[in-house]
Amino acid sequence: EDQVTQSPEALRLQEGESSSLNCSYTVSGLRGLFWYRQDPGKGPEFLFTLYSAGEEKEKERLKATLTKKESFLHITAPKPEDSATYLCAVQARQGGSEKLVFGKGTKLTVNP
Amino acid sequence: NAGVTQTPKFRILKIGQSMTLQCTQDMNHNYMYWYRQDPGMGLKLIYYSVGAGITDKGEVPNGYNVSRSTTEDFPLRLELAAPSQTSVYFCASSYPTGGAAVRQPQHFGDGTRLSIL
Repeated sequence: EDQVTQSPEALRLQEGESSSLNCSYTVSGLRGLFWYRQDPGKGPEFLFTLYSAGEEKEKERLKATLTKKESFLHITAPKPEDSATYLCAVQARQGGSEKLVFGKGTKLTVNP
Repeated sequence: NAGVTQTPKFRILKIGQSMTLQCTQDMNHNYMYWYRQDPGMGLKLIYYSVGAGITDKGEVPNGYNVSRSTTEDFPLRLELAAPSQTSVYFCASSYPTGGAAVRQPQHFGDGTRLSIL
């Protein structure tokens, strides 16, 4: 069964304290891995797509990396406005069609 | 550019009532999706559509129905509301997946928060 596990469930950082979020997955034939940001009361907002092991993508203080078993979202010198829930999802083939399988997310809080 | 628009934002239903959650997108995306998000759980796919007139079941379709008469609109129907359907519902859309390796991201609306009492 295709699974996506995110850790930790919650993370508290001080402003400027860099850290990483983890997304491990088991899927038969990875077609793509997506990172989203979700603010309270809002829908997920697309951040990155990674397609193959070794690929990296960057946007401001965020950098996403991908290996054959997991992805990391590195946050460098975070600011309070980076506080959100970060969702990881993998594109998997289920029942003859392709679907996104989501993790439960990591809730990030950055204190000033 | 509005993107994906969902209405209503909030709704309270009584057990057994029916309602339709509306979703429209202005990006000319062929693919559209309905998800539900429960506290502490990942998004679960309810139904999806690859184009007007074509719909298919996702992981948790029981108790729901959909239709897709236009490219822009993808309404979700609850016929007999049950407490287990209390959730936040998200609609999303994307371009067609083109080629073996290219996968397009899904773009989400801001959700409908539904409580069934």
